[in-house]
Amino acid sequence: AQSVAQPEDQVNVAEGNPLTVKCTYSVSGNPYLFWYVQYPNRGLQFLLKYITGDNLVKGSYGFEAEFNKSQTSFHLKKPSALVSDSALYFCAVRVPYSGNTPLVFGKGTRLSVIA
Amino acid sequence: EAGVAQSPRYKIIEKRQSVAFWCNPISGHATLYWYQQILGQGPKLLIQFQNNGVVDDSQLPKDRFSAERLKGVDSTLKIQPAKLEDSAVYLCASSAGQGENSPLHFGNGTRLTVT
Repeated sequence: AQSVAQPEDQVNVAEGNPLTVKCTYSVSGNPYLFWYVQYPNRGLQFLLKYITGDNLVKGSYGFEAEFNKSQTSFHLKKPSALVSDSALYFCAVRVPYSGNTPLVFGKGTRLSVIA
Repeated sequence: EAGVAQSPRYKIIEKRQSVAFWCNPISGHATLYWYQQILGQGPKLLIQFQNNGVVDDSQLPKDRFSAERLKGVDSTLKIQPAKLEDSAVYLCASSAGQGENSPLHFGNGTRLTVT
């Protein structure tokens, strides 16, 4: 069965510093990987996805993520954090061409950017 | 484009009562999902519709939960009778296709508290 692990419940970073939110996955086969962000009392918003091709994918709000097949990771990164980036971040995985397997989410990582 | 609309935003009920949630997806989106997000966890898929047909309801507690999507547009999710452990945010999402790489667009959710 597919699964996603986000090993950090909370990440704190100073404004202007680079940030990384970690994600590792476990699937049989090649995954489709996604990052979503959730602001307070709001639904999840799509940030970026990896389907195939270049391992470094760029998404909304200056975020990017790097797919690393050997380490089964898909860490979310941003070169310079903003206070407005403070939110809950979810990594998700889906296995293509395997029937109707659902999108499986990690438990989330709360990012706090301190001014 | 208008986003996914959900109502109500908040609902408080006593255990053993019934409750219903409503969702209107983005216009033209064929696929509709209901997710349950318990505090501190990632969203978990309850049911997926493709137009007005059920694609996946394997994680829906069918003894108490039901959902329908008449006419392939709006959807309702019902819980009867509610239990304390049903306290969660119920998220509706839609996507343009059933494609496995299609991002999901989420509504703001309905926060259910069962007392």
